Amino acid sequence: DTGVSQDPRHKITKRGQNVTFRCDPISEHNRLYWYRQTLGQGPEFLTYFQNEAQLEKSRLLSDRFSAERPKGSFSTLEIQRTEQGDSAMYLCASSANRGGGELFFGEGSRLTVL
Amino acid sequence: KQEVTQIPAALSVPEGENLVLNCSFTDSAIYNLQWFRQDPGKGLTSLLLIQSSQREQTSGRLNASLDKSSGRSTLYIAASQPGDSATYLCAVFKAGGTSYGKLTFGQGTILTVHP
Repeated sequence: DTGVSQDPRHKITKRGQNVTFRCDPISEHNRLYWYRQTLGQGPEFLTYFQNEAQLEKSRLLSDRFSAERPKGSFSTLEIQRTEQGDSAMYLCASSANRGGGELFFGEGSRLTVL
Repeated sequence: KQEVTQIPAALSVPEGENLVLNCSFTDSAIYNLQWFRQDPGKGLTSLLLIQSSQREQTSGRLNASLDKSSGRSTLYIAASQPGDSATYLCAVFKAGGTSYGKLTFGQGTILTVHP
């Protein structure tokens, strides 16, 4: 068990460009979550998957954001036409159906939009 | 809407002190509570999970309690060490249903333990 893995760890992009982040959850976990964290704040929920089904999306997830989890394994989060307000840490987490639903987070992908 | 508040926002203590971090939430119905640690620029490390049916959990020098009736949780750290310096976050989530794992976080307590 290597934990939740996220790639890339850091991304610097110019406003208007598209970016994609990847998350590989803990292998036996069927639930996968995306959160966003800005400086000095706690993480905020964006969306979550159970297997390949996207079950809930936050209002924070504008139509420029899309997340997928094909085949119920890894997930991608794409941001189109990035804006400076998108600069944040994007955190991925996974959990199993057992154990009280404890969430395990990855190291995050930090996005800086210039 | 669930709201989570953590007090104090920052805490600085000398090494060896026992300390308490506080977390309060507005809606205590069937919520689990999870404590995390976050080092600067890093992801979150799970410390303790207290399920809604439990009152406390312990791991090493850490003890977390949950009082649903008052909407409070405390994280107790015994014999603090400089390596405990980090931001501590509490988060609550519903114990079942479609919102399982949808955490609501507090803003965190920044802990500094100086030698």
